[in-house]
Amino acid sequence: QKEVEQDPGPLSVPEGAIVSLNCTYSNSAFQYFMWYRQYSRKGPELLMYTYSSGNKEDGRFTAQVDKSSKYISLFIRDSQPSDSATYLCAMSAPLGGSNYKLTFGKGTLLTVNP
Amino acid sequence: NAGVTQTPKFRILKIGQSMTLQCTQDMNHNYMYWYRQDPGMGLKLIYYSVGAGITDKGEVPNGYNVSRSTTEDFPLRLELAAPSQTSVYFCASSYSSSRGWNEQYFGPGTRLTVT
Repeated sequence: QKEVEQDPGPLSVPEGAIVSLNCTYSNSAFQYFMWYRQYSRKGPELLMYTYSSGNKEDGRFTAQVDKSSKYISLFIRDSQPSDSATYLCAMSAPLGGSNYKLTFGKGTLLTVNP
Repeated sequence: NAGVTQTPKFRILKIGQSMTLQCTQDMNHNYMYWYRQDPGMGLKLIYYSVGAGITDKGEVPNGYNVSRSTTEDFPLRLELAAPSQTSVYFCASSYSSSRGWNEQYFGPGTRLTVT
């Protein structure tokens, strides 16, 4: 079983739709949970991060973590064509001291159609 | 601030050739990383550095070498290029953190094709 599983999509939605992106994981040591957004031919950029189970909201984006189920989600409300990108989940586990291991999902390609 | 810069943007290598991918950051971050991203495969860590003079292997280090002589620069060396090294390479940097994670800032990437 892979440490992080993410459905690669692709996912195509109409403008204004609610989008749900998900990742599951198997490593109980993961502490921080992140979502990165990557536009075509660009580097990833951090969108949101969470530490504990629960929801975190930032504008149209909500990140949700359920540690008991080892499941994280990113919801995008009122999706816009500018949200079209690949969304990567990532999780960090401590390695001792200030070192940590960051594991990425494969990414989900999202297209929002006007 | 320019952030993390990478050169070149694109490169085509023949099998067996060597090259160095350059990475520079101007945020005074002590941690730097090299990742490769294959289509539909997410990001895999090649090497990382926690400070000048200190480097360590990541998940997929074979076929690569790194050095870190300054805080700003973290070049990645491919000695004998192979088709399996065709990928997009990303450099990233971050501050260290006692909490177990800190935001990594990524460069724009280098697209490498080995034929």
